Parts: sequence; structure tokens; C-alpha cells
Amino acid sequence: YVLTQPPSVSVAPGQTARIPCGGNHIAGYSVHWYQQRPGQAPVLVVYDDSDRPSGIPERFSGSNSGNTAILTISSVEGGDDADYYCQVWDTNSDQPVFGGGTKLTVL
Amino acid sequence: QVQLQESGPGLVKPSETLSLTCSVSGGPIRTYYWSWIRQPPGKGLEWIAYIYDSGKTNYNPSLKSRSTISADTSKEQLYLKLRSVTAGDTAVYYCVRWGTLRGESVQHWGQGTLVTVSS
Repeated sequence: YVLTQPPSVSVAPGQTARIPCGGNHIAGYSVHWYQQRPGQAPVLVVYDDSDRPSGIPERFSGSNSGNTAILTISSVEGGDDADYYCQVWDTNSDQPVFGGGTKLTVL
Repeated sequence: QVQLQESGPGLVKPSETLSLTCSVSGGPIRTYYWSWIRQPPGKGLEWIAYIYDSGKTNYNPSLKSRSTISADTSKEQLYLKLRSVTAGDTAVYYCVRWGTLRGESVQHWGQGTLVTVSS
């Protein structure tokens, strides 16, 4: 199973960033999203398509429909400048799969 | 509080075996799914293998022939061995804990350890 993400997304501070993750019938999978700041380990920001772990701001939200899942970050701040990875479990192989990652640049 | 700490040599010679240890605190190993995930410099995340129920395993097909994941529940440690390494195995290696069920997200990440393959 292949997850496809754009290499980069740019957004001005205060605007909304939308990071897509494409996969065949991805709506049938639970999608998880991770944020990775430079030099740090990834951090879970959204799980099961649209749930937020404790401590993650409400500005982070997720949706999943058809062949595309989307991580939405509203009121973008400089600290959101990071790489973002989507991830699902391939039910055929019982293996986790990561997207290639998207670098979010806050202009 | 869950803590994962990777350890191992930072430099491995080509054709040798990379051996890493992950020391776990804050939760019994047997309850969760555990993985090794790596990230080559400037690149994305690559899942290597997972272990659960203290000994059941699953491997990335691209690394299956060279890798072994194992656990010692008495020591609360996880292990990774990667044989016949090449420069392409240079990466930060993360020890991670998933949930208790297959399909859940990674809930905890180690800080990662950089392994460089070079003579």
C-alpha cells in the first residue's frame, strides 16, 4: 500500500495549511499524522483520522474521505514549521506504512 | 511515564552487523506492539520490523532477509540486528511503542540513535 504526500507546502503565518495524503481507498483506513521538527523525533498530532492526543492544540485537525486524507493546521505559527508524515496499517500485510513526508514551510 | 532509550555503536563497518538495544521504562513490553523505524539523513521514515506478544514478529520485506527484532521481557529491552550493512543503512534508528492493538498509532518514540556505516 502506497501513501503519497507532496514534498512541500508553504503557508503564511495565521493562515490555514492543508497537507494531503493520498492512498487507494484511504477512507477505509485509520490515518495517523506525525510532526517532526528538525533534529527531533516525530510526535503524534492526529490519530484515527481526526482525534487529537492530549496536549496537541485544537488548531490541528484531520479528515479522511475517498482517496485522500488531510491534515489541517489552522492559524499557522512559526513553530509549526516541520515535516509531517501520514501513516496507516496495510491490512493485507499487517504492516505499517508511512507517507514520504511533507515539509511545511511557514513563510 | 514511558521512556525509550536506544543504544549501540554509532559507527559500523560495511558488511558487519549493526546491533541496537532499546531500554524501556514505564510499561511492560509484552502488552504492546514495538518497532524499529529508521530515517536516513534528509529522508523519510522507514519501518523495519515489529514485535508483539513478546515474540511474534513482522518485517519490512525489503529488510527481512537481513534483520532480526527480539525482546527480553525480564530486562525490559528490545533489540535489532541488521546484518551485512552498507552505506545505505546509515540512518537515525528509532525505537517506538505502538498501542496494544495492530492498527493503532505510534504512541511513544525514543530519541533516536544515529548509526553511520563507514570504513
